[in-house]
Amino acid sequence: EPEVTQTPSHQVTQMGQEVILRCVPISNHLYFYWYRQILGQKVEFLVSFYNNEISEKSEIFDDQFSVERPDGSNFTLKIRSTKLEDSAMYFCASFEDRLISTQYFGPGTRLTVL
Amino acid sequence: AQSVSQHNHHVILSEAASLELGCNYSYGGTVNLFWYVQYPGQHLQLLLKYFSGDPLVKGIKGFEAEFIKSKFSFNLRKPSVQWSDTAEYFCAVNRGSSNTGKLIFGQGTTLQVKP
Repeated sequence: EPEVTQTPSHQVTQMGQEVILRCVPISNHLYFYWYRQILGQKVEFLVSFYNNEISEKSEIFDDQFSVERPDGSNFTLKIRSTKLEDSAMYFCASFEDRLISTQYFGPGTRLTVL
Repeated sequence: AQSVSQHNHHVILSEAASLELGCNYSYGGTVNLFWYVQYPGQHLQLLLKYFSGDPLVKGIKGFEAEFIKSKFSFNLRKPSVQWSDTAEYFCAVNRGSSNTGKLIFGQGTTLQVKP
């Protein structure tokens, strides 16, 4: 069964550093998402991406965050200047058709900001 | 704003016990409903989903859920749990008319099954 993959599985960084989290969605999927889960809290939507542009973003997704699909297969989340409160598990998800299909999630990247 | 509530934060059961996890959502329009499971150290996996049709949906591993529109509920059930069902369970909703399909998650329920 096809799956969403994410790298790295764990990223440790210093506060103020830039990080890039990478995702490879399922190949025929058209809609891409990033979610995050702070330890002990619910999974929160960050951003959705379709047709090479952001289609919706949450209030969490401020100017420090950006997304890109640089080469038609990878889907990246960049945090320009990390803060302690960015420490969380970041999940990438994709699906084929927003109306009838299911979102498939990647295994997540655990980001630890020191 | 749209929200999802899961009433049980931590459930402890013995093997063979029956399970019901509550989920309520607040949105009056058409919704799609999902239950995801996250086993320890693993990623979110879809257990079952409801888009339309029969409000009683069956998923993998013997799970089922019932959509009750009048109660804005989508409770998850399993008649007899196993130790391997120990995991975190998330209810999620997206609006049927959503342009983006984003999911709104409940806070999750941790299920611990004792052998």
